Amino acid sequence: QSVMTQPPSVSGAPGQTVTISCIGNTSNIGAGSDVHWYQQLPGAAPRLLIYANTDRPSGVPDRFSGSRSGTSASLAITGLQTEDEADYHCQSYDSTMTHVLFGGGTRLTVL
Amino acid sequence: QVQLQESGPGLVKPSQTLSLTCTVSGVSISSKTYYWSWIRQPAGKGLEWVGRIHSSGRRDYNPSLKSRVTLSLDTSKNQFSLRLNSVTAADTALYYCVRLGKLLTVDFWGQGSLVTVSS
Repeated sequence: QSVMTQPPSVSGAPGQTVTISCIGNTSNIGAGSDVHWYQQLPGAAPRLLIYANTDRPSGVPDRFSGSRSGTSASLAITGLQTEDEADYHCQSYDSTMTHVLFGGGTRLTVL
Repeated sequence: QVQLQESGPGLVKPSQTLSLTCTVSGVSISSKTYYWSWIRQPAGKGLEWVGRIHSSGRRDYNPSLKSRVTLSLDTSKNQFSLRLNSVTAADTALYYCVRLGKLLTVDFWGQGSLVTVSS
């Protein structure tokens, strides 16, 4: 059982917007710990999608955006494309930056 | 460029010890900037952090695995290793070795090594 909670699945049609939530607590996200997001395509290792709550590594389309508020964070994907179909994982850490924490992952289906 | 490659047995018997090694290229594991870490993923499930090690010797482990896990560094070979003892079927997973960068982001991943615990 993960410390941070994500919905097991979300779906949307091409062109639509979907949002994936990541709910933590006062010992991690609520304590100011940053949230990072990873995209995992089928059969591949995850890749960094969003870091430090809102920032995108070079090469990540601006259709992907992140936010953090209180004890939770969200990943938004606008203009859904079929190639966005993947698993998405949120990651944070405890308030002492000692332990890495993951959400349970969310499978995105593009209808 | 930075690359990580896991190696080790793909099959381990219950109650025995799982051992994996990660060979790093493109950066020295002696760098004070990074932690080196293991993350595992059971089939069809989410990611679970196992632990991390720094060139200073500092080690931190997932509390749920702490009693069974040991991480080590071999700077002469630019490798780091995982040992997980007393394994059960619940330890069956794809094990990734990774580099932890700024703000503990995982900025480089190995391709993953599948370990199955079975008699």
